[in-house]
Amino acid sequence: AQRVTQPEKLLSVFKGAPVELKCNYSYSGSPELFWYVQYSRQRLQLLLRHISRESIKGFTADLNKGETSFHLKKPFAQEEDSAMYYCALKGAQKLVFGQGTRLTINP
Amino acid sequence: ETGVTQSPTHLIKTRGQQVTLRCSSQSGHNTVSWYQQALGQGPQFIFQYYREEENGRGNFPPRFSGLQFPNYSSELNVNALELDDSALYLCASSLGLAGPPGANVLTFGAGSRLTVL
Repeated sequence: AQRVTQPEKLLSVFKGAPVELKCNYSYSGSPELFWYVQYSRQRLQLLLRHISRESIKGFTADLNKGETSFHLKKPFAQEEDSAMYYCALKGAQKLVFGQGTRLTINP
Repeated sequence: ETGVTQSPTHLIKTRGQQVTLRCSSQSGHNTVSWYQQALGQGPQFIFQYYREEENGRGNFPPRFSGLQFPNYSSELNVNALELDDSALYLCASSLGLAGPPGANVLTFGAGSRLTVL
């Protein structure tokens, strides 16, 4: 079964502090993973995907097949990072999303 | 380049009624997927359309059906509405989830919020 788990529904950190949003997955094949973000009053949009190995807005995510994780990290949080973050796994013909983590950056 | 547009943005129906939601895909995209997002949950896959045919379906009953048109726009139809159908319905277009890795990035619309009373 394909499953994505985001254990934290809410995460609150102070501006300038490091951020880590956790994502664990269950998939029998070779996984392809994504992070999507939804800012206030905006639509869901792609933040980054593991195959690109890129850093977007200071965020990075490394696929750890041994731990079946794809945690999203940023060394220094900014207020504009406050948003809803969804981890997603590509399955056959679809994306399987986690339930999301609401990240709040406090000034 | 236009993005994904959905209509209507909000609607209210009563139990037992039928609803049709519409989606125009992003220019150049040939695949449309529909997702249901209940309050406090992540999006759940309903089905995908490619070349006017259903090309993958999630765990939703047959009263959820869809269409894709030659211009790649799409409709989601829900019959015999139930209270639990109240949700945000998201349409997303792509170049195809079965394609090369870059093709499966989904571009989402703003959604249609359905309330069933």
